[in-house]
Amino acid sequence: EVQLVESGGGLVQPGGSLRLSCAASGFTSSDYWMYWVRQAPGKGLEWVANINRDGSDKYYVGSVRGRFSISRDNAKNSMSLQMNSLRAEDTAVYYCARDLSPTLRGWAYWGQGTLVTVSS
Amino acid sequence: EIVLTQSPATLSLSPGERATLSCRASQSINSYLAWYQQKPGQAPRLLIYDASSRAAGIPARFSGSGSGTDFSLTISSLEFGDSAVYYCQQRSSAWTFGQGTKVQIK
Repeated sequence: EVQLVESGGGLVQPGGSLRLSCAASGFTSSDYWMYWVRQAPGKGLEWVANINRDGSDKYYVGSVRGRFSISRDNAKNSMSLQMNSLRAEDTAVYYCARDLSPTLRGWAYWGQGTLVTVSS
Repeated sequence: EIVLTQSPATLSLSPGERATLSCRASQSINSYLAWYQQKPGQAPRLLIYDASSRAAGIPARFSGSGSGTDFSLTISSLEFGDSAVYYCQQRSSAWTFGQGTKVQIK
């Protein structure tokens, strides 16, 4: 069974840092691109970042570029999101997600999400 | 950035009725469109990918159509469990979502 489990969320002050992790199981993570998606309280969904199968290509939404860094460790079936210089507008539930298959694009698998709150 | 505009914002229908949700892209995205259903407190659920392909386990009541800039999601016969927010998402250029359509079952 495919499972994605996020961890690392919490309360952080503006300007602070936080590192999120996504533990994958039930599949070979190196076969898949992986994604981070966030949802601010009461708002819609926003793609944040993603990383290709071997970690050589990384993409970010403009609002986090230069502040967030995505990485993966295929040996540990895990992905991370290092978030620096956090702002109030980064407050959201952060989900990791995976495509339907290595060749079929559609985020069929999601974690339960981890809440990040940026506030003083 | 490709902007997706969903309409209507809210749809209120009775069980058994047909629901048609619209998603318009600011430029052509071929068929690189997906639809997701999200219920309160839950992660999104993939319904449709590549505009018209149903994801595994999704009932045949859900269907997607369109290409280029205009897309639709149709729920042929609404059930109470279909009450949710529905999002479209494009992957033609980076990834963006529409603002969502809330479907309420009377």
